[in-house]
Amino acid sequence: NAGVTQTPEFQVLKTGQSMTLQCAQDMNHEYMSWYRQDPGMGLRLIHYSVGAGITDQGEVPNGYNVSRSTTEDFPLRLLSAAPSQTSVYFCASRYSETQYFGPGTRLLVL
Amino acid sequence: AQSVTQLGSHVSVSEGALVLLRCNYSSSVPPYLFWYVQYPNQGLQLLLKYTTGATLVKGINGFEAEFKKSETSFHLTKPSAHMSDAAEYFCAGVLGGNEKLTFGTGTRLTIIP
Repeated sequence: NAGVTQTPEFQVLKTGQSMTLQCAQDMNHEYMSWYRQDPGMGLRLIHYSVGAGITDQGEVPNGYNVSRSTTEDFPLRLLSAAPSQTSVYFCASRYSETQYFGPGTRLLVL
Repeated sequence: AQSVTQLGSHVSVSEGALVLLRCNYSSSVPPYLFWYVQYPNQGLQLLLKYTTGATLVKGINGFEAEFKKSETSFHLTKPSAHMSDAAEYFCAGVLGGNEKLTFGTGTRLTIIP
């Protein structure tokens, strides 16, 4: 199993550009989530999904959209990037009570 | 409010010394608690977890943690620090009966040769 994979590894955007961060898992986990990590703030939940076709907002959802058309994939969309969205983004999938994290996407918005 | 608090954003210990990283939680129901480790420029790796049962849980790399309900704590310890333990450590919990994972702000561990 590849586990949780994320692409791209690094990305630089200009303010106002849009992009999609990809996340995939091959463990057939129903629950998936997106977090952002900022210095001194730990990880904060952006959006999550309890299964295909079902998504919900987390703690910091503004500026981000998600969809879940398949069990495997859970992309995160930035519609109009802002410098405040400069961060490291982690995708995770959950089995039972434990979440397993991808390697992260480092995003810089200029 | 449901929360996880890590005391000390930076901790330095000498190689071979005891490692103690502190974590307290607030939850209206019995929590599930986790410790994750993050090495530089990498993702988060699960060190150990407490769900139910034995309150002293052992994890990878010689770490262990004890769930103390009376103190609402889940401190992480390791008897003898190695240079390879230098990383950032996150305490996290499933609190208040909801499914979401709440993180503490992290503790950066530095090992002094």
